Amino acid sequence: DAGITQSPRHKVTETGTPVTLRCHQTENHRYMYWYRQDPGHGLRLIHYSYGVKDTDKGEVSDGYSVSRSKTEDFLLTLESATSSQTSVYFCAISEALGYTFGSGTRLTVV
Amino acid sequence: GNSVTQMEGPVTLSEEAFLTINCTYTATGYPSLFWYVQYPGEGLQLLLKATKADDKGSNKGFEATYRKETTSFHLEKGSVQVSDSAVYFCALPPGRGSQGNLIFGKGTKLSVKP
Repeated sequence: DAGITQSPRHKVTETGTPVTLRCHQTENHRYMYWYRQDPGHGLRLIHYSYGVKDTDKGEVSDGYSVSRSKTEDFLLTLESATSSQTSVYFCAISEALGYTFGSGTRLTVV
Repeated sequence: GNSVTQMEGPVTLSEEAFLTINCTYTATGYPSLFWYVQYPGEGLQLLLKATKADDKGSNKGFEATYRKETTSFHLEKGSVQVSDSAVYFCALPPGRGSQGNLIFGKGTKLSVKP
């Protein structure tokens, strides 16, 4: 098992504030991903990383930034949260047998 | 790039009914195909996959056959249980030159009534 932990599990924040979500993995996987899940849209890729300090944009990257200073941690930052960023955020890694997801962070922007 | 379309839900069935959730894809070549399941309050879990044409993936009584002739990967189960209530996602890799890891369908919510 990949051992993916997302934190926090739930967060409520105000419009205009910065927010950082953390994804931590325990097994040294190279590729890590951030998705958001919204009703009617399924899962959409925000950003992904293919190594330390190596990241790239996904389908819905506007308003988000990421950082990966260590193999085990992949951080997602909302620079200035907006109500449209209210969503459930999932981190994922890819491994030989498939793709493993974290349990998600439910973010509400009020 | 590649794309996937799955039937919209929600789907409501009685226990022991037969389940089919349709998934069709557009792809260059023959990528691996996946079904993921998401139980309430949890992340997605890999349910089954098929890596080449005519392969059948199976797990927990669910099956899906990779059919290149119809570009489909429909999910089936002969007798559903209440515990199968979840959201099911069809997925495939994005294809060459595209971003990210997997492209997901919009999900089909299944509710099974006792």
